[in-house]
Amino acid sequence: DAGVTQSPTHLIKTRGQQVTLRCSPKSGHDTVSWYQQALGQGPQFIFQYYEEEERQRGNFPDRFSGHQFPNYSSELNVNALLLGDSALYLCASSVISSYNEQFFGPGTRLTVL
Amino acid sequence: GQQLNQSPQSMFIQEGEDVSMNCTSSSIFNTWLWYKQDPGEGPVLLIALYKAGELTSNGRLTAQFGITRKDSFLNISASIPSDVGIYVCAGHNNDMRFGAGTRLTVKP
Repeated sequence: DAGVTQSPTHLIKTRGQQVTLRCSPKSGHDTVSWYQQALGQGPQFIFQYYEEEERQRGNFPDRFSGHQFPNYSSELNVNALLLGDSALYLCASSVISSYNEQFFGPGTRLTVL
Repeated sequence: GQQLNQSPQSMFIQEGEDVSMNCTSSSIFNTWLWYKQDPGEGPVLLIALYKAGELTSNGRLTAQFGITRKDSFLNISASIPSDVGIYVCAGHNNDMRFGAGTRLTVKP
């Protein structure tokens, strides 16, 4: 049973560029949440997708957007990258009926130069 | 958003010792969760707690949901070298809030 997978594992971008990160949820899961984790900090909630719609959103600017596809996979897009966007981006999947039990992927390490 | 306060920030213990760590918040949570996170990896769920006062075990790990619903505790008994890592607490209401983690080092 494949767990949560994310791609790419590492990414280097420059300021002002745009980036797309991808996530495939654990088999049987229908809900995907995205988190940003700065070095030495806990993950911070960006948003959650269910039934292809953004269900909840944390305190992140509109430069952060997402999408969920019919197969439950998801993308995180960040526009106009800033140096401060450098972080580990984590995707977590769950079943909507127990969405607080989230299973995390290995993350994508984004470096903005 | 408001994150959770974990203590201690780091611990250095001898193999075989017991470990205690805690997580506090100024807000009430309906669910508390404990994860283990290795550097550069995603957190792995260890224990989930759903009721105030609940005590739940997973092998040598035991976690408690505080009575006030503003805190949670994790204990590891008879630590072994593979317990090394960062233990991260999370509280859930409408969204998930995380602590910064307790870094555990176990000396053989």
